[in-house]
Order: sequence, then C-alpha cells, then structure tokens
Amino acid sequence: KQEVTQIPAALSVPEGENLVLNCSFTDSAIYNLQWFRQDPGKGLTSLLLIQSSQREQTSGRLNASLDKSSGRSTLYIAASQPGDSATYLCAVYNAGNMLTFGGGTRLMVKP
Amino acid sequence: DTGVSQNPRHKITKRGQNVTFRCDPISEHNRLYWYRQTLGQGPEFLTYFQNEAQLEKSRLLSDRFSAERPKGSFSTLEIQRTEQGDSAMYLCASSSTTGTGGEKLFFGSGTQLSVL
Repeated sequence: KQEVTQIPAALSVPEGENLVLNCSFTDSAIYNLQWFRQDPGKGLTSLLLIQSSQREQTSGRLNASLDKSSGRSTLYIAASQPGDSATYLCAVYNAGNMLTFGGGTRLMVKP
Repeated sequence: DTGVSQNPRHKITKRGQNVTFRCDPISEHNRLYWYRQTLGQGPEFLTYFQNEAQLEKSRLLSDRFSAERPKGSFSTLEIQRTEQGDSAMYLCASSSTTGTGGEKLFFGSGTQLSVL
C-alpha cells in the first residue's frame, strides 16, 4: 500500500524567505506526482505535475523536483509572500488509478 | 470549461438522516473520483468511475455509502443513516484518460458535511 509523508507538518516563515517542502512515498511505481494548494475550507488547486520520467517542473516562483528511485519530492518556493499561506499537499498517482495524498504542510508566511 | 462543480457547498444534517451530494465534472472527462477529507488530514480516496462504470471502491466506503454516475456525466454520492464520524469535506475530481497512465486530476470546491 502506498504511503505518502510530508515534512514538516507546519511551517511559519517571514516574508521573503525561500523555503522547501518535503514529500516522501514508499512505492516508487508511480505514474506522476502532483503538488496542490488548499486554502482553508476550500478545494484543491493543482500547482505542478511531474511525470515519472521527469526530474522537475517549474511554474513562476515554484519548482518541484522528483527523485523516483529514492521516493522523494521537494517543492521549492522562492521569495515567499503572505499570499502563499495555505496548506500544500503532495499526491502520487499509482497504478491503481488513484491519487494517494500526504497529510499536507500548513504554511504561514508572516508580513 | 467551467471546472468541476459540487453542490451543495455546505450541508448540515442530524444524525440518522440521509444526504446526497452532486458532482458535475469537466465536460468530456471520462473519469470521476470521490475523496473524503477530515480536518488537518490529506484527502482519502473513496471511489472512482470510468464513464458510468464504478471501477474501484475503498474500504472506507461502508455499506451506508453509495455512488452513482448513471450516464457517465454527473455523479451523486449518498450517505444513508449519517453518523457524526461522517462529518468531513467530500471532494470530487475528474480527469481524462491518456492511455499511458498518469492523468492530471482537477478538483471541485468540495461539499462540507456536518452531522449533528
């Protein structure tokens, strides 16, 4: 059974800092890995999708990397802003045609 | 393309009542997924459909839960005899199969259920 873990569970940083969110998964037989953002009481917004054959994806100030063999992904956020405050979820797409999610990292960026 | 739509956004019910949620996927998406998310946790898979066929069900989906997608378009999730433990955000997602695996899922805003 695939298990996804995100560290840290919560993070508070001052505005402007660069930060790294970590995601690990136990079964490396994945099709892709997705990073989502979730604001309180809201649905999920897809940020980045990395196919299993890829090493990284970039969108604006976000960069996600994937090391499938070691079962790890990182989400790098450059020059953080208060508007980045949210929960960030990592999810892997398995052969069973479903996404398995981690527990999320709750990020607070202080002005 | 208006995205994945879920109704209602919020539902408050008394224990023992039945509730039904609706999800309208992105048009032409043939796969539709239901997830449940409790406070402070990541979403957990419940079930998914390819067109009108329900292909996978999680053990989380007890006999009180039933999902349908009668014409391969919208889907409903019904919970019978609700319990306080059913209180959660119910999320719907849709995708289009690529034939090579590794689809991108698009999520709706969810239905927040509170069972009193």
